[in-house]
Amino acid sequence: DAGVTQSPTHLIKTRGQQVTLRCSPKSGHDTVSWYQQALGQGPQFIFQYYEEEERQRGNFPDRFSGHQFPNYSSELNVNALLLGDSALYLCASSFFNRNTGELFFGEGSRLTVL
Amino acid sequence: GESVGLHLPTLSVQEGDNSIINCAYSNSASDYFIWYKQESGKGPQFIIDIRSNMDKRQGQRVTVLLNKTVKHLSLQIAATQPGDSAVYFCAEISGTGGFKTIFGAGTRLFVKA
Repeated sequence: DAGVTQSPTHLIKTRGQQVTLRCSPKSGHDTVSWYQQALGQGPQFIFQYYEEEERQRGNFPDRFSGHQFPNYSSELNVNALLLGDSALYLCASSFFNRNTGELFFGEGSRLTVL
Repeated sequence: GESVGLHLPTLSVQEGDNSIINCAYSNSASDYFIWYKQESGKGPQFIIDIRSNMDKRQGQRVTVLLNKTVKHLSLQIAATQPGDSAVYFCAEISGTGGFKTIFGAGTRLFVKA
């Protein structure tokens, strides 16, 4: 049973560029949430996708956008990259209609913006 | 905005001692709380959870206490081991049909051999 997988694991971009990160949820899960984790801080909620729609969003600008595909996988897109976007981007999967609130995380994509 | 805070950013304990990690939360509507453990280079991993209608829950070597009156959570780790060295986050969950999980800043636990 595959867990949450993310790609790429590491990438380097320059300011102003665009990036796409990918996530495959744990088998059976229908919901994907994205988090940004700066060094030494807790994960910050970006948004959540279910049934190919954004269901909830945190305090992130419109430069951050996403998509969910019919197979439940998801992408996170960040446009016009800033130095402050350098962080670990975590994908977490879960069931939308929860009996528990447990999130299953991937190992993240580490983005460095130069 | 919503936030979950932690009292101590780092905690150093001797192997075999008990560890206590504290957390304050701000959203009184949160009905579910989880402690996550994050090891270096990995994503957070579920440790233990507790619902708002409970004040204590025990797992294997871990206990979570919830005090809703003062909006406080704690994680107790018994007989702390070197493998327990990690960053620990408390998280509060609210909503149904698309719940929202808010993480605190984390406490780094160092276990001295």
